[in-house]
Amino acid sequence: EAGVAQSPRYKIIEKRQSVAFWCNPISGHATLYWYQQILGQGPKLLIQFQNNGVVDDSQLPKDRFSAERLKGVDSTLKIQPAKLEDSAVYLCASSLDTSGANVLTFGAGSRLTVL
Amino acid sequence: AQSVTQLGSHVSVSEGALVLLRCNYSSSVPPYLFWYVQYPNQGLQLLLKYTSAATLVKGINGFEAEFKKSETSFHLTKPSAHMSDAAEYFCAVSEGLTGGGNKLTFGTGTQLKVEL
Repeated sequence: EAGVAQSPRYKIIEKRQSVAFWCNPISGHATLYWYQQILGQGPKLLIQFQNNGVVDDSQLPKDRFSAERLKGVDSTLKIQPAKLEDSAVYLCASSLDTSGANVLTFGAGSRLTVL
Repeated sequence: AQSVTQLGSHVSVSEGALVLLRCNYSSSVPPYLFWYVQYPNQGLQLLLKYTSAATLVKGINGFEAEFKKSETSFHLTKPSAHMSDAAEYFCAVSEGLTGGGNKLTFGTGTQLKVEL
């Protein structure tokens, strides 16, 4: 099966600019996640969707980050305006549903550098 | 709340030697536990998972892990390291059977170096 697709793979912007990342999950996976991985740290959950609804966005900095999954398939994560500390790899993952035993499958990630 | 502690941010072994990567978890409910591997510039790939069946779990590439409730540990081992095992390894926990869903909380990772 095709994996989780993410684009762009790399993005360099200046602080206060905006950026958007796109994710296409595995076909049939109802649950989609965005994780932020800062260099030297483990991934941290930003937001979790079940179909087109938000399950958990408690760790999303809502003053600058937004995410949507309008049709329950693709998702977009936006940062506006970006700060230096947003430099990280943004990982998208998907799973069949929210059952605890379901495995998350990760995309290759989008690496953001904020100058 | 749940958390994961990985002891040792960097581990170095000789090729052919035993690999032992440590993971301790904290969870107020029976957990599900996972090990993922990340190669440079790639996403995370599942190595193995514990979901309350057998306490000794075998994964891909010869890795295995043992769930020890009394020690709240889920250490990852491989009898003989290969150069291709050099990567970063992450332990993760989810809330398992409580219906808390499968959001993963990750440790900070252990970078494994394999030397000739």
